[in-house]
Amino acid sequence: DTGVSQDPRHKITKRGQNVTFRCDPISEHNRLYWYRQTLGQGPEFLTYFQNEAQLEKSRLLSDRFSAERPKGSFSTLEIQRTEQGDSAMYLCASSHTSLNTEAFFGQGTRLTVV
Amino acid sequence: AQKITQTQPGMFVQEKEAVTLDCTYDTSDQSYGLFWYKQPSSGEMIFLIYQGSYDEQNATEGRYSLNFQKARKSANLVISASQLGDSAMYFCAMREPYSGAGSYQLTFGKGTKLSVIP
Repeated sequence: DTGVSQDPRHKITKRGQNVTFRCDPISEHNRLYWYRQTLGQGPEFLTYFQNEAQLEKSRLLSDRFSAERPKGSFSTLEIQRTEQGDSAMYLCASSHTSLNTEAFFGQGTRLTVV
Repeated sequence: AQKITQTQPGMFVQEKEAVTLDCTYDTSDQSYGLFWYKQPSSGEMIFLIYQGSYDEQNATEGRYSLNFQKARKSANLVISASQLGDSAMYFCAMREPYSGAGSYQLTFGKGTKLSVIP
């Protein structure tokens, strides 16, 4: 198993465009999290899936953000009508129900909105 | 709401020396979990060590140990025998209380940038 994989690693987009990021968790992990990390800050929770169900969303997740995990495996995070304030690192993490300890993170997608 | 405070924006340590990274937390819950993650320039968050609030022993993982002082609400990370590869950002995090939806989301501090000097 190669761990949590995120694609793309970097994305530069013009303000107003839509972008979509993908996360492939560790295969047996049923929990999946999205976090956002801005410069000089720690990651902040965005949303959580257990299998295919999106069970929690942070107030940081505005209406322009949507996340899916259609088959309980990979997940996508879409940002519509991007704004400069969306520039950040978007991190995905996964864990298993039986593990109430660490979550495993991917390398993140760095988004720059110009 | 949970809160994590890391008061050291940056730290320097000589190679092969030990270093302590500070973390204090604020919670009204009795049951919680504390984590340390390392983030190199590549961006990935690498899990280092975990301490449960009911654990009586301080957690250790190889060169990493967690100095857990529950009454003071501190969870400092100690790295022994520093190596050049330890240069990175280090984040302290607390697991939110169980929400009933199965989530164990983490609240992170702002991090400490550790630089190991040869």
